[in-house]
Amino acid sequence: TQLLEQSPQFLSIQEGENLTVYCNSSSVFSSLQWYRQEPGEGPVLLVTVVTGGEVKKLKRLTFQFGDARKDSSLHITAAQPGDTGLYLCAGMGRAGANNLFFGTGTRLTVIP
Amino acid sequence: NAGVMQNPRHLVRRRGQEARLRCSPMKGHSHVYWYRQLPEEGLKFMVYLQKENIIDESGMPKERFSAEFPKEGPSILRIQQVVRGDSAAYFCASSPDRGVGNTIYFGEGSWLTVV
Repeated sequence: TQLLEQSPQFLSIQEGENLTVYCNSSSVFSSLQWYRQEPGEGPVLLVTVVTGGEVKKLKRLTFQFGDARKDSSLHITAAQPGDTGLYLCAGMGRAGANNLFFGTGTRLTVIP
Repeated sequence: NAGVMQNPRHLVRRRGQEARLRCSPMKGHSHVYWYRQLPEEGLKFMVYLQKENIIDESGMPKERFSAEFPKEGPSILRIQQVVRGDSAAYFCASSPDRGVGNTIYFGEGSWLTVV
């Protein structure tokens, strides 16, 4: 089993603030995906990162894959109440692998 | 283009009954995965299937659980003689292919409650 630890586990911030969520592992992943999950619904894919050091931007969200492909971060600029949710990172163990290892999750609350 | 479709969304079963969860992958996707999310826990891989084949069932409990993806029709996750500990959200996911950067899309889940 390849473990992914996310931090912080819970985060409550005011609207307009910036935040960073971390996803760390001692294992190397061939790719890593970030999802957001609302209560009672399935995870919705935000981004897939593949190359070590890769940075992807999705509006106010910036995703980075560590150089060694063991860790990743999600940075949100000027958070809005609509960003509230459970953020999950998930790593693919090796090229051609068939299952994702999910992180422990970060529950974000943005207060208006 | 419809996403991954799961049904039923909610299912209540008494202990000892059978639960059948169905999943239709996204159009053009031939790879199906089942994950389980226990209350207050993360998603855990259960099984990976392609049409008519189980490729990896390393995450499936050894007894009572089975999965299939027939040539025609949806993938089925079957739980026999359910127990309270089976209560969880079961998510199906699909992808077009394997390989680096392969993106996996999830359905909205089937919530099983065993009473």
